[in-house]
Amino acid sequence: TQLLEQSPQFLSIQEGENLTVYCNSSSVFSSLQWYRQEPGEGPVLLVTVVTGGEVKKLKRLTFQFGDARKDSSLHITAAQPGDTGLYLCAVSGNTPLVFGKGTRLSVIA
Amino acid sequence: KAGVTQTPRYLIKTRGQQVTLSCSPISGHRSVSWYQQTPGQGLQFLFEYFSETQRNKGNFPGRFSGRQFSNSRSEMNVSTLELGDSALYLCASSWVTGGSYEQYFGPGTRLTVT
Repeated sequence: TQLLEQSPQFLSIQEGENLTVYCNSSSVFSSLQWYRQEPGEGPVLLVTVVTGGEVKKLKRLTFQFGDARKDSSLHITAAQPGDTGLYLCAVSGNTPLVFGKGTRLSVIA
Repeated sequence: KAGVTQTPRYLIKTRGQQVTLSCSPISGHRSVSWYQQTPGQGLQFLFEYFSETQRNKGNFPGRFSGRQFSNSRSEMNVSTLELGDSALYLCASSWVTGGSYEQYFGPGTRLTVT
């Protein structure tokens, strides 16, 4: 079973700051998905990355997939209180989704 | 288009009882997956159903079971509840099974076992 390590586990920042969260594995990913989960809701898919070195942008969010396809990062520029939530990475492909334990982000106004 | 719905949203049960949770997927989706989410273990895969057949099963004891109906609605059952079964149970639906498919999650059922 592929294990995913997410760091940091918790992050509390002020509105307007930038941040980066990480997702790492000892094994190669087939493809990787990032989700955000808000309190009382299920996870919502943000992006899927499939190619080593791939960079995808979603407004203020930038997702990178490592060249070796064993790590990924999510960078948020000028964080806003609405970015608060649990950020989860998950390995997808031909097996059921395997999730990391997530980074819990709190953005304080 | 309506999203994934789960009922009930909250449930309190006593040790030893059994519970049935329900999930209605997005219209047209034939795959339903179930996950257990706890603070300590995170999101863990329980099982997946596609066209009424169990396609994959996670590493959970036999007390956890599920089924899918011809209209793609799914239920999961937990028998002989234990305190450690307290968790958020999420279901997710998708068009197909396998591959880098997008799964749509419901809001979950919060189960508390006392």
